Amino acid sequence: AQSVSQHNHHVILSEAASLELGCNYSYGGTVNLFWYVQYPGQHLQLLLKYFSGDPLVKGIKGFEAEFIKSKFSFNLRKPSVQWSDTAEYFCAVNGYAGNMLTFGGGTRLMVKP
Amino acid sequence: GAVVSQHPSWVICKSGTSVKIECRSLDFQATTMFWYRQFPKQSLMLMATSNEGSKATYEQGVEKDKFLINHASLTLSTLTVTSAHPEDSSFYICSARDRWPAGEQYFGPGTRLTVT
Repeated sequence: AQSVSQHNHHVILSEAASLELGCNYSYGGTVNLFWYVQYPGQHLQLLLKYFSGDPLVKGIKGFEAEFIKSKFSFNLRKPSVQWSDTAEYFCAVNGYAGNMLTFGGGTRLMVKP
Repeated sequence: GAVVSQHPSWVICKSGTSVKIECRSLDFQATTMFWYRQFPKQSLMLMATSNEGSKATYEQGVEKDKFLINHASLTLSTLTVTSAHPEDSSFYICSARDRWPAGEQYFGPGTRLTVT
């Protein structure tokens, strides 16, 4: 079975601060990894994804994530957050041979202007 | 990008009645659709996986007789909450995938169900 854990449930930052949200997964095989964002009152949107290749993945809106296989981690980063980044962020994993997307518990980010 | 719609976006029903929620992929064919439930301030929990033309696969703990799923075409899946009770009140989200294994899931906007 696959599982995903996000260590930070709530994060509060000031604008221009750097962001790193942790994500660790548990799965024995090859995985596809995703970060989704849910802005207040909106539906889930894909920020970025990793399937293979360069473990440093760049997504939309200046976000990036690094897949570290030895640590089973896929942390999300952004060098300088904006107030508009206030949202909930979900890490998700899909075992390569499987069908199911498993979500982490989510991290609620609040950026103070 | 691909668009997934849900209808209705918000529904209130009385206890004991049934409610149908539609999920449509608007500009692609979805061989697989997923139904999730999201409780307030919690993550998404997968309820079932729906493949076009076949029976849905339900996750452990999800009552298949209560949450009826029909995936009759490559662009439409429906979730019917039968004999709804207040504890069924939740946010129901569908997603659709256009190809496997590398296809990503595109999420619908969700349907908020309130059972009174």
